Amino acid sequence: DIVVTQSPDSLAVSLGERATINCKTSQSVLYSSNNKNYLAWYQQKPGQAPKLLFYWASTRESGVPDRFSGSGSGTDFTLTISSLQAEDVAVYYCQQYYNTPPTFGGGTKVEIK
Amino acid sequence: QLQLQEPGPGLVKPSETLSLTCTVSGDSISSTRYYWGWIRQPPGKGLEWIGSIYNSGSTYYNPSLRSRVTISVDTSKNQFSLKLSSVTAADTAVYYCARHTPGGYYYYIDVWGKGTTVTVSS
Repeated sequence: DIVVTQSPDSLAVSLGERATINCKTSQSVLYSSNNKNYLAWYQQKPGQAPKLLFYWASTRESGVPDRFSGSGSGTDFTLTISSLQAEDVAVYYCQQYYNTPPTFGGGTKVEIK
Repeated sequence: QLQLQEPGPGLVKPSETLSLTCTVSGDSISSTRYYWGWIRQPPGKGLEWIGSIYNSGSTYYNPSLRSRVTISVDTSKNQFSLKLSSVTAADTAVYYCARHTPGGYYYYIDVWGKGTTVTVSS
């Protein structure tokens, strides 16, 4: 299985400031034939199901605010919230779908400082 | 708008079989190219893929659970189901049904059910 490791486990950011979440996979999830990274990001608010934010590492799902961005390639990826809003308080997960079984990172909890 | 609903039993006794059914509304399981899956989340922990199914009935399971998992589909009712046998306290979790995007049963998930909490306890 591909191991997905997120860091930090949690972070507290002031409103309007930048939040950065890292995701590392134990092997590359870049498929050379199509140059796509098989990595997704989800947001899970308390008591809710996860919500898709990004796929192919950086393709924003419809309706996701543009203060969110996804980047990275190969084994190292980043989710950035450029200006944290109160409604962004959540746990964020990355997931690789390069091969089976699909595996998730342990999550990063984002709070307001 | 596509919706997935997975009402559950709430409480299951150890060694028994957990059974959940996901009802799909807003789309037809049999007419789409999507894979339909189950994911679980133990209390305070991360997400674990259990397995997925295609409308043809082809199934794919997480190797860690394969010996205890059965996923089936009933296209006439627009439902798919999960059975997990010989449950223990470690199977206590929120169980989500979900839709994988076309491309593969292990692809990212674009639609999630609200989830149902299942507690394994005597």
